[in-house]
Amino acid sequence: EDQVTQSPEALRLQEGESSSLNCSYTVSGLRGLFWYRQDPGKGPEFLFTLYSAGEEKEKERLKATLTKKESFLHITAPKPEDSATYLCAVRGPGNTPLVFGKGTRLSVIA
Amino acid sequence: GAVVSQHPSWVICKSGTSVKIECRSLDFQATTMFWYRQFPKQSLMLMATSNEGSKATYEQGVEKDKFLINHASLTLSTLTVTSAHPEDSSFYICSARVPGLEAGELFFGEGSRLTVL
Repeated sequence: EDQVTQSPEALRLQEGESSSLNCSYTVSGLRGLFWYRQDPGKGPEFLFTLYSAGEEKEKERLKATLTKKESFLHITAPKPEDSATYLCAVRGPGNTPLVFGKGTRLSVIA
Repeated sequence: GAVVSQHPSWVICKSGTSVKIECRSLDFQATTMFWYRQFPKQSLMLMATSNEGSKATYEQGVEKDKFLINHASLTLSTLTVTSAHPEDSSFYICSARVPGLEAGELFFGEGSRLTVL
């Protein structure tokens, strides 16, 4: 069974304090790992897709990386507007649906 | 980017009544839509996959007679919670797959918070 575990569950940072969020996964035949951002009371918003170990994607202060067992979402010099829950999801072979982790709730304090 | 609109954003109903939630793709045709349920501090749990013109595919443990899904057009899918009870209170979110894009890059609606009294 495909599984996604995210850590930490919650993270509180000072503005400008860089950190990383972790997503560990087990899936038979990874077809993609996906990062989403979810604001309170809203639906998730797509951020990145990673396909193979060693791949990296960047967007503003966010950088996602992938190994064979986990992915990291690095946040460099975060701002309060980066506060949100960050969700990780994996897709296996065929038409299997995405499996989501529980997310990391990030709070960035000014 | 693609836009998915969900309505209503929140609804309060009495126990035993039925509630319908709509999910629309505004600027693309969505042959496949997904319905999720999310409890506080929990992950998105897929309830069912909605395919235009055919019956929905429900995940294990989801009662298809309680959560009725209709995908009658390429831009609209509806979820009806029948005979709602307090335990059905949750945040329901739809998403759509854009044809031609990576299957895991979904566009989500704003979500609908259901409270059953």
